[in-house]
Amino acid sequence: KAGVTQTPRYLIKTRGQQVTLSCSPISGHRSVSWYQQTPGQGLQFLFEYFSETQRNKGNFPGRFSGRQFSNSRSEMNVSTLELGDSALYLCASSFLTGIGNEQFFGPGTRLTVL
Amino acid sequence: QKEVEQDPGPLSVPEGAIVSLNCTYSNSAFQYFMWYRQYSRKGPELLMYTYSSGNKEDGRFTAQVDKSSKYISLFIRDSQPSDSATYLCAMSDYGGSQGNLIFGKGTKLSVKP
Repeated sequence: KAGVTQTPRYLIKTRGQQVTLSCSPISGHRSVSWYQQTPGQGLQFLFEYFSETQRNKGNFPGRFSGRQFSNSRSEMNVSTLELGDSALYLCASSFLTGIGNEQFFGPGTRLTVL
Repeated sequence: QKEVEQDPGPLSVPEGAIVSLNCTYSNSAFQYFMWYRQYSRKGPELLMYTYSSGNKEDGRFTAQVDKSSKYISLFIRDSQPSDSATYLCAMSDYGGSQGNLIFGKGTKLSVKP
Protein backbone atom coordinates (compact mmCIF):
# COMPACT_ATOMS: atom_id res chain seq x y z
CA LYS A 1 0.00 0.00 0.00
CA ALA A 2 1.51 3.33 -1.00
CA GLY A 3 2.09 5.85 1.76
CA VAL A 4 1.22 9.52 1.89
CA THR A 5 2.92 11.43 -0.88
CA GLN A 6 3.66 15.13 -0.96
CA THR A 7 4.79 17.27 -3.84
CA PRO A 8 7.04 19.02 -4.31
CA ARG A 9 9.58 17.84 -1.75
CA TYR A 10 11.57 21.07 -1.84
CA LEU A 11 10.57 24.59 -2.79
CA ILE A 12 12.32 27.95 -2.78
CA LYS A 13 10.22 31.10 -3.05
CA THR A 14 10.72 34.80 -2.40
CA ARG A 15 8.79 37.05 -0.07
CA GLY A 16 5.43 38.13 -1.42
CA GLN A 17 4.97 35.14 -3.69
CA GLN A 18 2.37 32.46 -3.15
CA VAL A 19 2.80 28.70 -3.07
CA THR A 20 0.61 25.61 -3.43
CA LEU A 21 1.56 22.31 -1.85
CA SER A 22 -0.06 19.01 -2.70
CA CYS A 23 -0.83 15.90 -0.67
CA SER A 24 -2.09 12.50 -1.80
CA PRO A 25 -3.38 10.45 1.14
CA ILE A 26 -3.23 6.71 1.54
CA SER A 27 -5.87 5.06 -0.62
CA GLY A 28 -9.16 4.88 1.26
CA HIS A 29 -8.24 7.54 3.81
CA ARG A 30 -10.73 10.39 3.95
CA SER A 31 -9.15 12.63 6.56
CA VAL A 32 -6.19 14.85 5.72
CA SER A 33 -4.44 17.17 8.15
CA TRP A 34 -1.69 19.70 7.51
CA TYR A 35 1.05 20.73 9.92
CA GLN A 36 3.89 23.23 9.97
CA GLN A 37 7.14 22.14 11.61
CA THR A 38 9.88 24.58 12.58
CA PRO A 39 12.79 24.28 15.04
CA GLY A 40 11.43 27.15 17.12
CA GLN A 41 7.74 26.26 17.32
CA GLY A 42 7.80 22.53 16.71
CA LEU A 43 4.87 20.81 15.03
CA GLN A 44 1.82 23.02 14.75
CA PHE A 45 -1.58 22.10 13.36
CA LEU A 46 -2.81 24.06 10.33
CA PHE A 47 -6.11 22.46 9.32
CA GLU A 48 -7.97 19.20 8.93
CA TYR A 49 -10.24 18.13 6.09
CA PHE A 50 -12.69 15.26 6.00
CA SER A 51 -14.83 14.46 2.98
CA GLU A 52 -13.99 17.82 1.39
CA THR A 53 -15.05 19.80 4.48
CA GLN A 54 -12.71 21.68 6.76
CA ARG A 55 -13.32 20.24 10.21
CA ASN A 56 -10.79 22.13 12.23
CA LYS A 57 -8.38 25.02 11.81
CA GLY A 58 -5.28 25.97 13.77
CA ASN A 59 -4.17 29.40 14.85
CA PHE A 60 -2.63 30.61 11.60
CA PRO A 61 -3.39 33.78 9.60
CA GLY A 62 -5.81 33.75 6.69
CA ARG A 63 -2.86 33.63 4.26
CA PHE A 64 -2.87 29.90 4.91
CA SER A 65 -5.70 28.07 3.21
CA GLY A 66 -6.47 24.60 2.04
CA ARG A 67 -8.94 22.41 0.28
CA GLN A 68 -9.73 18.77 -0.28
CA PHE A 69 -10.97 17.20 -3.47
CA SER A 70 -13.52 14.44 -3.97
CA ASN A 71 -10.70 11.87 -4.32
CA SER A 72 -9.41 12.99 -0.88
CA ARG A 73 -6.30 14.61 -2.33
CA SER A 74 -5.58 17.91 -0.63
CA GLU A 75 -3.77 21.13 -1.37
CA MET A 76 -2.67 23.94 0.86
CA ASN A 77 -1.91 27.45 -0.29
CA VAL A 78 0.13 30.17 1.33
CA SER A 79 -0.24 33.65 -0.13
CA THR A 80 2.03 36.66 0.34
CA LEU A 81 4.89 34.57 1.69
CA GLU A 82 6.90 35.86 4.63
CA LEU A 83 10.38 34.81 5.77
CA GLY A 84 8.81 33.18 8.82
CA ASP A 85 6.85 30.80 6.61
CA SER A 86 10.06 28.85 5.94
CA ALA A 87 9.32 25.44 7.39
CA LEU A 88 8.66 21.78 6.76
CA TYR A 89 5.00 21.35 5.82
CA LEU A 90 3.66 17.92 6.67
CA CYS A 91 0.50 16.25 5.52
CA ALA A 92 -1.06 13.34 7.39
CA SER A 93 -3.94 11.09 6.47
CA SER A 94 -6.20 8.78 8.45
CA PHE A 95 -9.13 6.56 7.60
CA LEU A 96 -11.53 8.59 9.71
CA THR A 97 -11.19 11.72 11.77
CA GLY A 98 -10.61 11.64 15.53
CA ILE A 99 -7.71 10.91 17.84
CA GLY A 100 -8.33 7.16 17.83
CA ASN A 101 -7.59 6.93 14.11
CA GLU A 102 -3.88 6.65 13.47
CA GLN A 103 -2.41 9.39 11.33
CA PHE A 104 0.17 8.51 8.70
CA PHE A 105 2.50 11.34 7.78
CA GLY A 106 4.08 12.09 4.45
CA PRO A 107 7.74 13.08 4.13
CA GLY A 108 6.87 16.78 3.97
CA THR A 109 7.59 19.70 1.69
CA ARG A 110 10.57 21.82 2.72
CA LEU A 111 9.69 25.45 1.92
CA THR A 112 12.39 28.10 1.99
CA VAL A 113 11.35 31.75 1.66
CA LEU A 114 14.12 34.16 0.66
CA GLN B 1 4.37 28.33 30.59
CA LYS B 2 4.03 26.26 27.45
CA GLU B 3 1.30 23.64 27.43
CA VAL B 4 3.76 20.84 26.64
CA GLU B 5 7.42 20.88 27.59
CA GLN B 6 9.98 18.44 26.25
CA ASP B 7 13.74 18.45 26.73
CA PRO B 8 15.23 18.90 23.26
CA GLY B 9 18.38 16.98 24.04
CA PRO B 10 20.36 15.88 22.18
CA LEU B 11 20.55 12.66 24.15
CA SER B 12 23.40 10.27 23.33
CA VAL B 13 23.48 6.73 24.73
CA PRO B 14 25.45 3.53 24.01
CA GLU B 15 23.76 0.64 22.26
CA GLY B 16 21.86 -1.55 24.72
CA ALA B 17 21.12 1.26 27.18
CA ILE B 18 17.69 1.99 28.61
CA VAL B 19 16.45 5.34 27.37
CA SER B 20 13.97 7.53 29.21
CA LEU B 21 12.21 10.32 27.33
CA ASN B 22 9.85 12.67 29.13
CA CYS B 23 7.27 15.40 28.68
CA THR B 24 5.51 17.58 31.19
CA TYR B 25 2.26 19.40 30.58
CA SER B 26 0.12 22.02 32.25
CA ASN B 27 -3.43 21.23 31.05
CA SER B 28 -5.02 18.79 33.49
CA ALA B 29 -7.76 18.07 30.92
CA PHE B 30 -5.36 16.21 28.63
CA GLN B 31 -6.39 12.56 28.41
CA TYR B 32 -5.02 11.36 25.06
CA PHE B 33 -1.26 10.84 24.98
CA MET B 34 0.96 9.80 22.10
CA TRP B 35 4.59 9.30 21.22
CA TYR B 36 5.85 9.77 17.68
CA ARG B 37 9.24 8.93 16.20
CA GLN B 38 10.65 11.05 13.39
CA TYR B 39 13.67 10.00 11.39
CA SER B 40 15.69 12.61 9.54
CA ARG B 41 13.97 13.77 6.33
CA LYS B 42 10.84 11.76 7.17
CA GLY B 43 7.45 12.53 8.66
CA PRO B 44 6.59 11.44 12.21
CA GLU B 45 5.24 7.92 12.79
CA LEU B 46 3.06 6.89 15.70
CA LEU B 47 4.83 4.72 18.27
CA MET B 48 2.51 4.58 21.25
CA TYR B 49 -1.00 5.79 22.07
CA THR B 50 -2.41 5.87 25.58
CA TYR B 51 -5.79 7.01 26.76
CA SER B 52 -6.00 8.41 30.30
CA SER B 53 -3.37 7.13 32.72
CA GLY B 54 -1.32 4.00 33.25
CA ASN B 55 1.31 2.06 31.36
CA LYS B 56 1.38 0.53 27.91
CA GLU B 57 4.04 -1.81 26.58
CA ASP B 58 4.87 -2.70 22.98
CA GLY B 59 8.03 -4.72 22.46
CA ARG B 60 10.99 -2.69 23.67
CA PHE B 61 8.86 0.42 24.20
CA THR B 62 6.88 1.33 27.33
CA ALA B 63 4.75 4.45 27.68
CA GLN B 64 3.78 5.75 31.10
CA VAL B 65 1.30 8.46 32.02
CA ASP B 66 1.18 10.07 35.46
CA LYS B 67 -1.74 12.46 35.38
CA SER B 68 -1.30 13.50 39.00
CA SER B 69 2.17 14.83 38.18
CA LYS B 70 1.25 15.88 34.62
CA TYR B 71 4.16 13.85 33.33
CA ILE B 72 4.51 11.26 30.60
CA SER B 73 7.45 9.03 29.75
CA LEU B 74 8.63 6.75 26.99
CA PHE B 75 11.14 4.05 27.89
CA ILE B 76 13.19 2.22 25.28
CA ARG B 77 14.87 -0.99 26.44
CA ASP B 78 17.93 -2.47 24.75
CA SER B 79 18.29 0.61 22.56
CA GLN B 80 19.58 0.09 19.02
CA PRO B 81 21.30 2.44 16.55
CA SER B 82 18.10 2.23 14.50
CA ASP B 83 16.31 3.99 17.39
CA SER B 84 18.32 7.15 16.61
CA ALA B 85 15.64 9.69 15.76
CA THR B 86 13.69 12.60 17.20
CA TYR B 87 10.90 11.58 19.58
CA LEU B 88 7.84 13.80 19.87
CA CYS B 89 5.22 13.61 22.55
CA ALA B 90 1.69 14.76 21.75
CA MET B 91 -1.45 15.11 23.81
CA SER B 92 -5.03 16.31 23.61
CA ASP B 93 -8.06 16.95 25.78
CA TYR B 94 -10.54 16.18 23.01
CA GLY B 95 -10.72 13.06 20.93
CA GLY B 96 -12.89 14.34 18.14
CA SER B 97 -10.17 15.83 15.98
CA GLN B 98 -6.47 15.39 15.31
CA GLY B 99 -6.28 19.16 15.30
CA ASN B 100 -6.46 19.34 19.05
CA LEU B 101 -3.16 17.47 19.46
CA ILE B 102 -0.47 19.60 21.09
CA PHE B 103 3.05 18.43 20.26
CA GLY B 104 6.25 18.77 22.22
CA LYS B 105 9.22 20.09 20.29
CA GLY B 106 10.92 16.71 20.31
CA THR B 107 13.98 15.08 21.87
CA LYS B 108 16.78 14.08 19.53
CA LEU B 109 18.17 10.66 20.46
CA SER B 110 21.41 9.17 19.21
CA VAL B 111 22.27 5.53 20.00
CA LYS B 112 25.96 4.81 19.46
CA PRO B 113 27.09 1.30 18.38
